[in-house]
Amino acid sequence: NAGVTQTPKFQVLKTGQSMTLQCAQDMNHEYMSWYRQDPGMGLRLIHYSVGAGITDQGEVPNGYNVSRSTTEDFPLRLLSAAPSQTSVYFCASSYTASGGREQYFGPGTRLTVT
Amino acid sequence: GESVGLHLPTLSVQEGDNSIINCAYSNSASDYFIWYKQESGKGPQFIIDIRSNMDKRQGQRVTVLLNKTVKHLSLQIAATQPGDSAVYFCAETTQGGSEKLVFGKGTKLTVNP
Repeated sequence: NAGVTQTPKFQVLKTGQSMTLQCAQDMNHEYMSWYRQDPGMGLRLIHYSVGAGITDQGEVPNGYNVSRSTTEDFPLRLLSAAPSQTSVYFCASSYTASGGREQYFGPGTRLTVT
Repeated sequence: GESVGLHLPTLSVQEGDNSIINCAYSNSASDYFIWYKQESGKGPQFIIDIRSNMDKRQGQRVTVLLNKTVKHLSLQIAATQPGDSAVYFCAETTQGGSEKLVFGKGTKLTVNP
């Protein structure tokens, strides 16, 4: 199993541009989530999904959209990039949301918005 | 709002010593806690978890202690090794599982040879 994969590893955007961060898992996990990590801070939840077709907002959802059309994929879309969205983005998955204790994290995407 | 925090941002120990990393939480409704390890340039890695109906849980070289009276969580690492050098995060949730985890800011552990 490849686990949780994220692409790209690095990305530079100009203010106002849009892009999609890709996340995929091959473990048949129901629960997937997106976090951002800023310097000196813990991870903050952006959006999450408890299964295909179901998404919900986390702590910092503004400026981001998600969809979950398949169990495997959970892309994160930045609609109009802003410098405040410069961060490292992590995707994670677990077997289920409740009782699915161990979340597996991807390697992250480092995004810079100029 | 309520959040998870840490007492110390950095911790330096000698190889072979025991390490204790602390975490304070303020949401009394939290019922599930997890410790993660994050090495430089990588995503967080699950270490150990504990539910609120327990006060201690042991893994391989790691022990998590939960004191609900003072809302305190700690991670003990026995015989710390250079490979343990990383940032350690505690996380909490009221959802009983992976959903809606709230992370603390992290403690950087440095193990000196």
